[in-house]
Amino acid sequence: AQSVTQPDIHITVSEGASLELRCNYSYGATPYLFWYVQSPGQGLQLLLKYFSGDTLVQGIKGFEAEFKRSQSSFNLRKPSVHWSDAAEYFCAVGAYNTDKLIFGTGTRLQVFP
Amino acid sequence: NAGVTQTPKFRVLKTGQSMTLLCAQDMNHEYMYWYRQDPGMGLRLIHYSVGEGTTAKGEVPDGYNVSRLKKQNFLLGLESAAPSQTSVYFCASSLLAEGDENTQYFGPGTRLTVL
Repeated sequence: AQSVTQPDIHITVSEGASLELRCNYSYGATPYLFWYVQSPGQGLQLLLKYFSGDTLVQGIKGFEAEFKRSQSSFNLRKPSVHWSDAAEYFCAVGAYNTDKLIFGTGTRLQVFP
Repeated sequence: NAGVTQTPKFRVLKTGQSMTLLCAQDMNHEYMYWYRQDPGMGLRLIHYSVGEGTTAKGEVPDGYNVSRLKKQNFLLGLESAAPSQTSVYFCASSLLAEGDENTQYFGPGTRLTVL
């Protein structure tokens, strides 16, 4: 079955610390992978996406993610977190010629000063 | 471009009442989606549309109906609201063109409470 797992429901980091949010997927076809961010009371904003090519993808707000096919993972990273990064982060997977995305249940990031 | 807009932003209904949520996009996208978001459950697809005049069921379609009479609009209807439909509803759209595969763009959401 197709699925996306975000193992961490809630993560707390100090401002300036590095961050890694985990995402694992199960998908039959070659996946298209996405990370979205949702600030409180807002809609989802696209951070970055991977379709093909270089497995290290750069996104907005200083985020990057690495696709590792052997591990079925697409983890999101940021070298130094800012207080404004506090939000909920969603990983999603799709594929060529499909019309739907499968979303993970999200990881809530809390940033302490 | 306004992107994806949703109307209304907030609504409180009584059990049994009906209402329609409106989603509009100005990006000429073919595909549109309605999701609900509940704590701990992420986003669940209610219905979606692959083009004007077409709709399809998603993961949790019961109690909802949709219509796509115009390409830019996608309406979500609740005929007889129930407390279990208390949620935040998001609309999204996508182009499904090469280079933008599956990328969905989201509206700001509608917070619905059913008493």
